Amino acid sequence: DVKVTQSSRYLVKRTGEKVFLECVQDMDHENMFWYRQDPGLGLRLIYFSYDVKMKEKGDIPEGYSVSREKKERFSLILESASTNQTSMYLCASSFSQIWRPPRDIQYFGAGTRLSVL
Amino acid sequence: TQLLEQSPQFLSIQEGENLTVYCNSSSVFSSLQWYRQEPGEGPVLLVTVVTGGEVKKLKRLTFQFGDARKDSSLHITAAQPGDTGLYLCAGRTGRRALTFGSGTRLQVQP
Repeated sequence: DVKVTQSSRYLVKRTGEKVFLECVQDMDHENMFWYRQDPGLGLRLIYFSYDVKMKEKGDIPEGYSVSREKKERFSLILESASTNQTSMYLCASSFSQIWRPPRDIQYFGAGTRLSVL
Repeated sequence: TQLLEQSPQFLSIQEGENLTVYCNSSSVFSSLQWYRQEPGEGPVLLVTVVTGGEVKKLKRLTFQFGDARKDSSLHITAAQPGDTGLYLCAGRTGRRALTFGSGTRLQVQP
């Protein structure tokens, strides 16, 4: 079974702190994604990576950065956490060749619920 | 602005009832997926539809992709408490990433 593991289920941080959210996948997937999920807004893409050291901005990248030094690991960084970044953060991974079903399945981690006080 | 609009946002029904969830957009998608998310978990893929007009069935769930590939529906027959969850549609427009809808939260009461 595909496994996407997010390092923390719950995090509480202070405003201005630097926050690292870690995600590891064990299926040798080329693509990895970070989303945030807020009630009534569905999932919004923050950043994604289609290869080691490669990244692309998603729809809401402001206030976030990412790092992908190894294929299996994708980190989301909040440089200076703010209260409006309180949210559920979901990591996902998939194969490349996304135009060829079923290779376009995204596998999700269980999420990290981040509270910024 | 949400590229994919889902309706209804919330649905609370009794066990055994039928329901339909809609996913609409002004954009054309090369494929559309439906995911279900249970509390405390990430979304899990239910189905991918690719061809306009396509209908796929998964036990009591029927998925339809619109002829113009701009909309989709999910119909559940004889809903059960185990169907409770957040249903998300997600469309692909050629980018590497998916665009997700706003979600429909379904509660099936026993």
